[in-house]
Amino acid sequence: AAGVIQSPRHLIKEKRETATLKCYPIPRHDTVYWYQQGPGQDPQFLISFYEKMQSDKGSIPDRFSAQQFSDYHSELNMSSLELGDSALYFCASSSQTSGLAKNIQYFGAGTRLSVL
Amino acid sequence: AQSVTQLDSQVPVFEEAPVELRCNYSSSVSVYLFWYVQYPNQGLQLLLKYLSGSTLVESINGFEAEFNKSQTSFHLRKPSVHISDTAEYFCAVTLDLTQGGSEKLVFGKGTKLTVNP
Repeated sequence: AAGVIQSPRHLIKEKRETATLKCYPIPRHDTVYWYQQGPGQDPQFLISFYEKMQSDKGSIPDRFSAQQFSDYHSELNMSSLELGDSALYFCASSSQTSGLAKNIQYFGAGTRLSVL
Repeated sequence: AQSVTQLDSQVPVFEEAPVELRCNYSSSVSVYLFWYVQYPNQGLQLLLKYLSGSTLVESINGFEAEFNKSQTSFHLRKPSVHISDTAEYFCAVTLDLTQGGSEKLVFGKGTKLTVNP
């Protein structure tokens, strides 16, 4: 079965540069979530979108922005990168039309961002 | 706000031994509970979920977890582990949206399970 696709898998940037992470949800999933996992840490929720509208917001820095497009894919834009932004960034998707199963989030393999 | 506590950060065991990874949660409303597994340098894979119904849930690779509402726990167990089970295991919770919860998953700090030969 198709899974959540994230690109790129690895990204190396310099401080103050900009990065764009992409996420393609499971087909027919309408909700996308972004999480950040620092080294040795648990994943932390950043932001989510449902039907192209922001549905919830967590501890996302103002330097970061995200959106969901008409084909349901999502992009996380990160500007003025700092060393502390080095982390694994996960995207997850779910379907809000699947009853209780709407509460299940399926994760992509993640994008490992290294800021030098 | 909800929170998840995984009491053990590291659990070393020998192959074929039983294991229990503990998870407790705190929430004032109904929750849905999950265990995710993260193999080294890989993403998060859904291992088990409790949404409703039977409080004992099982995975295809021999893990099981039991939702205990009175003890607010969702411990993960396996009667006989394999070396290939070596990974980090995250317990996570999301709230019942019909009771004003948020969709976001809140994770515990994770438990690193190391299975030794």
